Amino acid sequence: SQQGEEDPQALSIQEGENATMNCSYKTSINNLQWYRQNSGRGLVHLILIRSNEREKHSGRLRVTLDTSKKSSSLLITASRAADTASYFCATALVGGSRLTFGEGTQLTVNP
Amino acid sequence: EAQVTQNPRYLITVTGKKLTVTCSQNMNHEYMSWYRQDPGLGLRQIYYSMNVEVTDKGDVPEGYKVSRKEKRNFPLILESPSPNQTSLYFCASSPYRGGLYGYTFGSGTRLTVV
Repeated sequence: SQQGEEDPQALSIQEGENATMNCSYKTSINNLQWYRQNSGRGLVHLILIRSNEREKHSGRLRVTLDTSKKSSSLLITASRAADTASYFCATALVGGSRLTFGEGTQLTVNP
Repeated sequence: EAQVTQNPRYLITVTGKKLTVTCSQNMNHEYMSWYRQDPGLGLRQIYYSMNVEVTDKGDVPEGYKVSRKEKRNFPLILESPSPNQTSLYFCASSPYRGGLYGYTFGSGTRLTVV
């Protein structure tokens, strides 16, 4: 199975609300990354958090990493309709040579 | 503009007819990779390349070939396409060894094999 697994698979919220997505993984990582994909388009890199970091912010995005629980969360604050997309976590293993992606969370933000 | 360019964007072909999907990046990245995306299966890596003339198999390499003769180009070749290769394909690049930095993705190639 995939190294990273997102939860929930789908999330529907109203504009202005916060959206939280979770990612769990199985083995030790070098870093964990979050990507956004608008329908059928290429993935866009959002944020990278390294294994020795616990929290990172970028604009309205907040990412946390708990290596003891092997989990990460992505929080989007004050969501907008334009945030509607699929969000993927990807893990880079220690000493690994590539990223492994989860299956994604489909976020719908209703106006 | 820094980008990964894939062509074509859409392609419909017949079983067994050889095709090539091109990928080019203008960021001088060492690492390049191909993924396919299928509903319910997420993104699966097909092949990757650490640098010129260095390529390796990903999770689903069967039925695909790649080459890396120049740093900027990483074409994906389907010698004899079959319907189970109908998918959305993405090329991606990264400055160095895959995973240590974020990836830049192309816009995707939607391939249909009939």
